[in-house]
Amino acid sequence: ILNVEQSPQSLHVQEGDSTNFTCSFPSSNFYALHWYRWETAKSPEALFVMTLNGDEKKKGRISATLNTKEGYSYLYIKGSQPEDSATYLCASPITNKLIFGTGTLLAVQP
Amino acid sequence: EAQVTQNPRYLITVTGKKLTVTCSQNMNHEYMSWYRQDPGLGLRQIYYSMNVEVTDKGDVPEGYKVSRKEKRNFPLILESPSPNQTSLYFCASSPTGEDTEAFFGQGTRLTVV
Repeated sequence: ILNVEQSPQSLHVQEGDSTNFTCSFPSSNFYALHWYRWETAKSPEALFVMTLNGDEKKKGRISATLNTKEGYSYLYIKGSQPEDSATYLCASPITNKLIFGTGTLLAVQP
Repeated sequence: EAQVTQNPRYLITVTGKKLTVTCSQNMNHEYMSWYRQDPGLGLRQIYYSMNVEVTDKGDVPEGYKVSRKEKRNFPLILESPSPNQTSLYFCASSPTGEDTEAFFGQGTRLTVV
């Protein structure tokens, strides 16, 4: 993989559902993996920056895992709430440039 | 309050009329960058700067210039804007580089007619 890719492109869930998304990135010369949350009409805000293989980070109901050997990261949201509706972006530095995936748009319906 | 401030927030301009979008951060961050957001393409890096007087091209630098004369400021210059530069632009800063979280400005919605 020479790029940062995210799946799915969009996700519609019901309030209370747990969900997860995937970010794939180049595993060679790995440096870091970022997750951002981007609400409509606002700026992206950092959730996590992960650097160690096997690392797991948590912020409230949101957690992320990292596998640098195979080049993927999962973002989990437990018990989704309508306020979790946003686009979730991942990014990885590739030759000094921070490359973003196209994001996963999450819509949580009450 | 720690923040990244961009101006203007909205701008409509005509083809060929030079413009500058300002970006300022008050967190003493070393790394600053500019991105553009277009539908279906995600955030693409235009230029970045690792410190004062150190700038380099991102993935889509054509048609843009930047400067980093002071640590806090990183203006984006469009010498001769064209309609394909119509986009949503974000400035971001981070403490030391790509291994630290980026703080984004509020965005600038630019339309070139």
